[in-house]
Amino acid sequence: QKEVEQNSGPLSVPEGAIASLNCTYSDRGSQSFFWYRQYSGKSPELIMFIYSNGDKEDGRFTAQLNKASQYVSLLIRDSQPSDSATYLCAVFTGGFKTIFGAGTRLFVKA
Amino acid sequence: DAGVIQSPRHEVTEMGQEVTLRCKPISGHDYLFWYRQTMMRGLELLIYFNNNVPIDDSGMPEDRFSAKMPNASFSTLKIQPSEPRDSAVYFCASSFRRQTYEQYFGPGTRLTVT
Repeated sequence: QKEVEQNSGPLSVPEGAIASLNCTYSDRGSQSFFWYRQYSGKSPELIMFIYSNGDKEDGRFTAQLNKASQYVSLLIRDSQPSDSATYLCAVFTGGFKTIFGAGTRLFVKA
Repeated sequence: DAGVIQSPRHEVTEMGQEVTLRCKPISGHDYLFWYRQTMMRGLELLIYFNNNVPIDDSGMPEDRFSAKMPNASFSTLKIQPSEPRDSAVYFCASSFRRQTYEQYFGPGTRLTVT
């Protein structure tokens, strides 16, 4: 079992729809959870972080964390073509390492 | 703030040559990370430093890879000798522990070994 798992996609949604990206992790001692966006040929860019169970909202983005289920998600409301990118889930584990998932490719169709 | 700076942005070299990648972290950040990204393996942590001291180098693939951080504003990743399978994008990232553990990435160095 990989430490951080994501569906590689591609996930395709129409413009204006909600995109839902999911991530599971294996280390129950994990403390912090991050979502990075990576455009093709660019470096990962931090867009959200969450530490506590529940939801955290920032503009069109909502991160959701359920530690009991070891599950993190990212919702993107009113998806735009400019949101098309690979989204990396990252987990700061109990072993004091940040482990990245393989990423989910998102396509938003105009 | 200028962000994390990496050089060179692109490097093409022949197998067997020495390659040195450079990184300047964000001023004030006390953690520095080196990653390698390929299509097959995704983003892999190679090594990280805290206050210029290497903490975990378990991700360094072989003895051909070495990394140093002589001061808080500079780090190098060296590959000697380079091999075609080392071709990848190498990212440097930094973070400030007291705030959170989020990392800020540099633009990366695209390495091609022929």
